[in-house]
Amino acid sequence: NAGVTQTPKFQVLKTGQSMTLQCAQDMNHNSMYWYRQDPGMGLRLIYYSASEGTTDKGEVPNGYNVSRLNKREFSLRLESAAPSQTSVYFCASSEDRFSYEQYFGPGTRLTVT
Amino acid sequence: DQQVKQNSPSLSVQEGRISILNCDYTNSMFDYFLWYKKYPAEGPTFLISISSIKDKNEDGRFTVFLNKSAKHLSLHIVPSQPGDSAVYFCAASSANAGGTSYGKLTFGQGTILTVHP
Repeated sequence: NAGVTQTPKFQVLKTGQSMTLQCAQDMNHNSMYWYRQDPGMGLRLIYYSASEGTTDKGEVPNGYNVSRLNKREFSLRLESAAPSQTSVYFCASSEDRFSYEQYFGPGTRLTVT
Repeated sequence: DQQVKQNSPSLSVQEGRISILNCDYTNSMFDYFLWYKKYPAEGPTFLISISSIKDKNEDGRFTVFLNKSAKHLSLHIVPSQPGDSAVYFCAASSANAGGTSYGKLTFGQGTILTVHP
């Protein structure tokens, strides 16, 4: 039982490049989330998916898109990376949108030069 | 607009003593609060939570206190152990009338706790 897995662990991009961060969970959870963590800012919600087939914007969605591919997988795409998107990205899941407790993946450290 | 604030970036405590981590919030709609613990190069893990209908919740060495009138919560760790050294985040959530806020967490900036042997 791996919990929440994220790939890649590290990535360096040049400004303007695109990439997709992958997230998968094996806990049969309905809800999934993407956060970014920046120094002094805590974790901020980028997008979330309350259930398969639905996605909604969080606090800082600009510059990102998401896809809830199936119940297990929730990907985050940067279409044209900017230095301001240098951050650590965490994916999380919860049993459903009524569950407050979220389970986090190990994170992806992204640097945009 | 930081709705959840942890004003102490770091805290240093001797092993065996009490650690007290503080968190303040401004949104009176928040009705559920959680503490997460994060080790370097790992994702946050859930530690303890409290509903707004309570003012205290205990789990072993960890106790969370909620003061709704002051919009303040605190996490007490007694006794502190070196393995408790980590970043601690408080988080808050609310269930609005439409239920669309369920599960959405607002995090504080985090406090780095160091427990010295």
